[in-house]
Amino acid sequence: SQQGEEDPQALSIQEGENATMNCSYKTSINNLQWYRQNSGRGLVHLILIRSNEREKHSGRLRVTLDTSKKSSSLLITASRAADTASYFCATDYVWETSGSRLTFGEGTQLTVNP
Amino acid sequence: DTGVSQNPRHKITKRGQNVTFRCDPISEHNRLYWYRQTLGQGPEFLTYFQNEAQLEKSRLLSDRFSAERPKGSFSTLEIQRTEQGDSAMYLCASSLWDGGDQPQHFGDGTRLSIL
Repeated sequence: SQQGEEDPQALSIQEGENATMNCSYKTSINNLQWYRQNSGRGLVHLILIRSNEREKHSGRLRVTLDTSKKSSSLLITASRAADTASYFCATDYVWETSGSRLTFGEGTQLTVNP
Repeated sequence: DTGVSQNPRHKITKRGQNVTFRCDPISEHNRLYWYRQTLGQGPEFLTYFQNEAQLEKSRLLSDRFSAERPKGSFSTLEIQRTEQGDSAMYLCASSLWDGGDQPQHFGDGTRLSIL
């Protein structure tokens, strides 16, 4: 069963706008990862944030992690039509040895309109 | 740059048949994972290997499913006596585990359709 929840389930914005997606999870984690999936393709790793980190940046991506609230957010700035995809958060739970299974949320479908 | 490679990309078969998928991980990666993804859902963990040792299997992996990684390189996932509910995308991922936090790198998956 899925352990994480993402919201919103779907998000439609105009090119140039920012997109924010949220992820909540249930138990303590080693790390949290965000992935992108284009239709019919595999998942592309975007960013990994460790449990002792609060914020991380990579290009136009900004991820925050609040372990007290068991939540994370992914911000994509200055969105482009090519950012249209499903975005998933995945957690590496602390009861597992780090680097074992990932538990995925159900994803946010982002549509960026040109 | 060779990423994770999965074959075939698509498989259509009749209910009751056996199917086998192959995954070639990134060459230096010691961990290999299998996930299943149904439409509109996130991937669900099936099993993973460290080198040739299968370290964990999900309850989703019924006795009709078997996975191997015989030489610690490529892996195969076999489904025997396929059922309608096996229709899904089967994703393989690999990572270079060094005791710390490492991302998993995914292939493009094998889409299985059961007629």
